[in-house]
This record gives sequence, structure tokens and C-alpha cells, in this order.
Amino acid sequence: LAKTTQPISMDSYEGQEVNITCSHNNIATNDYITWYQQFPSQGPRFIIQGYKTKVTNEVASLFIPADRKSSTLSLPRVSLSDTAVYYCLVGGSYNTDKLIFGTGTRLQVFP
Amino acid sequence: DTGVSQDPRHKITKRGQNVTFRCDPISEHNRLYWYRQTLGQGPEFLTYFQNEAQLEKSRLLSDRFSAERPKGSFSTLEIQRTEQGDSAMYLCASSLALEPQHFGDGTRLSIL
Repeated sequence: LAKTTQPISMDSYEGQEVNITCSHNNIATNDYITWYQQFPSQGPRFIIQGYKTKVTNEVASLFIPADRKSSTLSLPRVSLSDTAVYYCLVGGSYNTDKLIFGTGTRLQVFP
Repeated sequence: DTGVSQDPRHKITKRGQNVTFRCDPISEHNRLYWYRQTLGQGPEFLTYFQNEAQLEKSRLLSDRFSAERPKGSFSTLEIQRTEQGDSAMYLCASSLALEPQHFGDGTRLSIL
């Protein structure tokens, strides 16, 4: 499974757009890119998954360039409740096999 | 959909004791996964089941660890002769094929 690299931490203010970039230089042809969110003392929660170009849902957008060696999770107009750890993973569609987590990006949103 | 349920939420035990955790997946989810998470790290895969069959086990799952999923419904994870290094959050997830994994809120194990 491809290794991912993402910033250890990011800070933002309420109402701003936050973009978290993940590098996955060794992504395989069949790999999808998936993002999870985790709050303290809770399990990870699925946010979004994509294969190429752009995917958008009610929570976030995922931008994937043509070479697929990186991806960017975009959170529009963050609030304090978006303070969490965000994990980027690559693997099969919906990672029906085991998920391989990195250390994630700790996002802190300030008022 | 009541979500993935894990019991207990917290467990404190002395080194050398045996502990057992339970996971109730979302009903009709045929896949069930166990992960372990230590402070500041992402979850690490331990094992997973498809229905009652245990299909993969991580090298992290030493001989002191055993997981079962009788009848393909709930699952238990047992740790025998606990050690200090077993202190962690144990997470369970379930899914249907081609759908995202849904996680429970874990069992936090503390070894005294």
C-alpha cells in the first residue's frame, strides 16, 4: 500500500477555508484516496473518497491532479467543531481491506 | 442504524490479567475489523473478519491476542497476560463490501 505524507499540524480561524495536502508518490493505478476525520476519544469517521479530478460532498471537496501523486482535502468555512485529526489514506475502493493510517494532520481552528 | 458499539469504553487492569472486549457491528455488515491506536499515532490494523471467517491477522497480533466472530455477528478481542505495552485504544470497524468502514468509539485499555 502506498505511503502517504501530510503536514503534522495546521492552524486556522473560524470561517476560513482549509486545504490539507497529502503526498502519495507511489500510488498504484487501482488505488483510491480516502480521508478520515477523528475527534479525541472517538473512532475515525469517513469524510470523502476519490480517484481522480474533483469530488465534492456536503462536508468537503477532494482535489486530485492528473498525476495522482498528491491530493488536497478542502474544508470550506471551518468552525471550531472541525478541530480534529485528518488522515489521508490510499488503497482499494473504500479500502475494503485493512486501512493503513499515517500520523495524520492535526487541525486546530481558533475563534 | 445504531452505529458500531464497543464495550467496555474503558478498562483498567493489572499487568498479567486477561481482558476481553466486545464489538457489535452495524447490522448486516459482513466485514468487521479490529485496530489499535496509541497516543499521537494513527490506528494500526490488527485483524479482520468476513462473516465468521478471520481473513487476515497483522504481525502486531501476538499469540496473546485472539479474536473471534461467532455466527458472523458480534466479535470479541481477548488479550491474555496483559503487558504495559498493550495500553492503547482498541477500535472496531464494520463495513459492507465496497462501502467505507464505520468505526466505533473504541475501548481504552490501561495496564497498571
